[in-house]
Order: sequence, then structure tokens, then C-alpha cells
Amino acid sequence: SAVISQKPSRDICQRGTSLTIQCQVDSQVTMMFWYRQQPGQSLTLIATANQGSEATYESGFVIDKFPISRPNLTFSTLTVSNMSPEDSSIYLCSGWLPDRGTEAFFGQGTRLTVV
Amino acid sequence: GIQVEQSPPDLILQEGANSTLRCNFSDSVNNLQWFHQNPWGQLINLFYIPSGTKQNGRLSATTVATERYSLLYISSSQTTDSGVYFCAVEDYGGSQGNLIFGKGTKLSVKP
Repeated sequence: SAVISQKPSRDICQRGTSLTIQCQVDSQVTMMFWYRQQPGQSLTLIATANQGSEATYESGFVIDKFPISRPNLTFSTLTVSNMSPEDSSIYLCSGWLPDRGTEAFFGQGTRLTVV
Repeated sequence: GIQVEQSPPDLILQEGANSTLRCNFSDSVNNLQWFHQNPWGQLINLFYIPSGTKQNGRLSATTVATERYSLLYISSSQTTDSGVYFCAVEDYGGSQGNLIFGKGTKLSVKP
């Protein structure tokens, strides 16, 4: 099975600053996704990280606030920019391995608190 | 878009008890997965089960795709089973790998 290493696992940040979250997969994945989980809520898709091109964002999420990079098939970053307390959430990345059907795997998550 | 509903939203069990969690979905799906989110936020794959029945130790799952529901069975529950259980589906007509999550069932197992 694939392993996705996500870091940092948690952070406490000052409002107005930015945090970059990294995900490294131990094998090449066709697609990677970034999700947000607000306190007590379910997961919501932020964007699809496209290798070598701009990410595809879901309604309500914009590139200026959540810039994403995916330089190759095993690595992606999500930046949470100009943070406010409303950005306090768990952020998770996932990867999809087509040779295993459509089973998705997730990183360990980043628990972000903005003060 | 596709709707995913989980029930019950909350469940409290005594250690050793059995439970059944349900996931209903509103349209045809390519993929259905069950996850357990531990208290640290990590999402752990339990089952990839777009149809049929699977078992893994004390856990088993059944998906009846034609009737658009899936069930997760937990037998002889342990305190370590506590956490939130999510059902997630991949919309048949949507982007591959893009999972739509239900709101989860929060399980608390008391010693």
C-alpha cells in the first residue's frame, strides 16, 4: 500500500502569516487532492493538485488564499496564506493509485491553529 | 451533486458491544470507502468496498450498490475503536479520486 508523509503534523500560527504543508508519497500517483476539515465537521475538497499545471479549485476556494504546487508525481504543497482564526482546521492530502482501483490514501493530516 | 448520509451521527457503546453504522448515497458510485479518524486527526483506510462484503478482523462491511447503501459492522468493540467513522464515495460522473464524504458517525466506546 502507498504511504503519504505529511508535515507538519500540527502548528500554531499567528494571524496574518502563512504556512506551507508538504505531502510526499512513496510511489507515483496519478492524482493528488487537498481537503480541509473544520472543527467538528466533515472533509471538504479544496483543490485537485495537477502535476505541472495550475491546481483546480472547488467553489469557495481561491488560488491566492490556498496556492498549491505539484512539481512531480510524488510531491505536493499547500500554502494557507494570510491566515485568520477561521483557517483553524485539519488539512489533509490524499493520493489516488490507479493500479489499485480507485482507492484513495491520506496523509496523517496537519492540525492548524491560528491565534 | 451526490449526497452521502451517515447514521447514526453519534453512538455510545459499552466495551464488548456490537454496532452497525450505515451510509446512504443518492446516486451511482465508482468507489466507496470507509475510514476511521483517530483522535489525532489521522484518516485510516478501513475498506475499499464499492460492492459486496469484506471482513477484516472485528470489522466487516457490506455495500449493496443497487440499493445505494453500505453498512459497517464493528463486533466486540474496544476503547481503541473510538473516533469518527466516515463513509466516502466517488461520484460515477465526477473527477476520479475525488471523494465526497458523509458527516461521519462519532463512536465512543466506554470501558
